[in-house]
Amino acid sequence: NAGVTQTPKFQVLKTGQSMTLQCAQDMNHEYMSWYRQDPGMGLRLIHYSVGAGITDQGEVPNGYNVSRSTTEDFPLRLLSAAPSQTSVYFCASSHPEGLAEAFFGQGTRLTVV
Amino acid sequence: ILNVEQSPQSLHVQEGDSTNFTCSFPSSNFYALHWYRWETAKSPEALFVMTLNGDEKKKGRISATLNTKEGYSYLYIKGSQPEDSATYLCASARGQGGKLIFGQGTELSVKP
Repeated sequence: NAGVTQTPKFQVLKTGQSMTLQCAQDMNHEYMSWYRQDPGMGLRLIHYSVGAGITDQGEVPNGYNVSRSTTEDFPLRLLSAAPSQTSVYFCASSHPEGLAEAFFGQGTRLTVV
Repeated sequence: ILNVEQSPQSLHVQEGDSTNFTCSFPSSNFYALHWYRWETAKSPEALFVMTLNGDEKKKGRISATLNTKEGYSYLYIKGSQPEDSATYLCASARGQGGKLIFGQGTELSVKP
């Protein structure tokens, strides 16, 4: 009963390094999204996808890339990490109608030094 | 209202107190309003998904109401318990497609 699996749970990067946060779901959800959570700011949408091969930008997309080659996977790439990207990142999936609850991964705490 | 706003930002109550929080959201193109409960070091978990004006939902001691015309929802907790301590998030879905815009959350602390 895996649900949404995010890896890694913790990561420290140096400024300028690149990395990929992995997200996989086994519920056959069409809709997947990435959020970042910063103190006092709730969850802010970075990128989302309504199905394989389709992605779109959210509220705070700058500095992040995504792709959706399969229904199950939705990786988030940081091409050149900056201290402003220090945050907790959550991946979520749901059916796309907006009426369905979102299921969240366990989060990735990223620190950029 | 252009964004989703929640109040208060934080709340400290004693065990047994009843409490409520507010979520304000854009009423135009409204599709659904979600409430999530988020415990420290865990992932947010859904409480309610509400769509109809006047809708009321209940799960145990927690209930929620929805006013889509004026763009607000209330979450009520009756007889708060220490295990209710968490951040409560609301999110608005505008139109189909599932894109959720979250408020900043209300952090509830219940003291025994």
